[in-house]
Amino acid sequence: DAGITQSPRHKVTETGTPVTLRCHQTENHRYMYWYRQDPGHGLRLIHYSYGVKDTDKGEVSDGYSVSRSKTEDFLLTLESATSSQTSVYFCAIQGRSNEKLFFGSGTQLSVL
Amino acid sequence: DQQVKQNSPSLSVQEGRISILNCDYTNSMFDYFLWYKKYPAEGPTFLISISSIKDKNEDGRFTVFLNKSAKHLSLHIVPSQPGDSAVYFCAASVYGDNDMRFGAGTRLTVKP
Repeated sequence: DAGITQSPRHKVTETGTPVTLRCHQTENHRYMYWYRQDPGHGLRLIHYSYGVKDTDKGEVSDGYSVSRSKTEDFLLTLESATSSQTSVYFCAIQGRSNEKLFFGSGTQLSVL
Repeated sequence: DQQVKQNSPSLSVQEGRISILNCDYTNSMFDYFLWYKKYPAEGPTFLISISSIKDKNEDGRFTVFLNKSAKHLSLHIVPSQPGDSAVYFCAASVYGDNDMRFGAGTRLTVKP
């Protein structure tokens, strides 16, 4: 299995608070992704990174920011959490563009 | 803008029979297609893929068929086993584009 660790696994927070989710990989893969999974929508791309300090927006990036200061770590921040951001968040890594993704185990986030 | 669609939210089959999961896409630029399998409380795991230059790819009990003219792909599982019970996601991407698009998923239940 690919070495991907997401933390925390579960998080409950209040509307308006900032939240940071962490993804850590041990595979030295160049590409890292954050997806959210919601019923009826499947997985939707939030942001991705193609190298240290190189990031770009995905399909549903509003309300989220990311940072990648080291190859192995990719952080997702909700600046001011809203109830619509209640979801399961998955981190994924990819060795080269257009290859399969390896996913972490996910973070269940509830915004009350 | 759901470019990848799985119109069947669920499918139930008997153990030993064939399972056929379907996926349609709208973006004719997609040239790489994948199927992922997801168990509860785990991240999706890669199952099988197919490039647009092929119309069939086989891996053990799993076969993916691609019909480019119809913008349709399907996953066949023969014979189906209870351990195949999971949610299956169809995904598609364009070479060089990091935005892999996913369908909403189909929950497969294989009854003993």
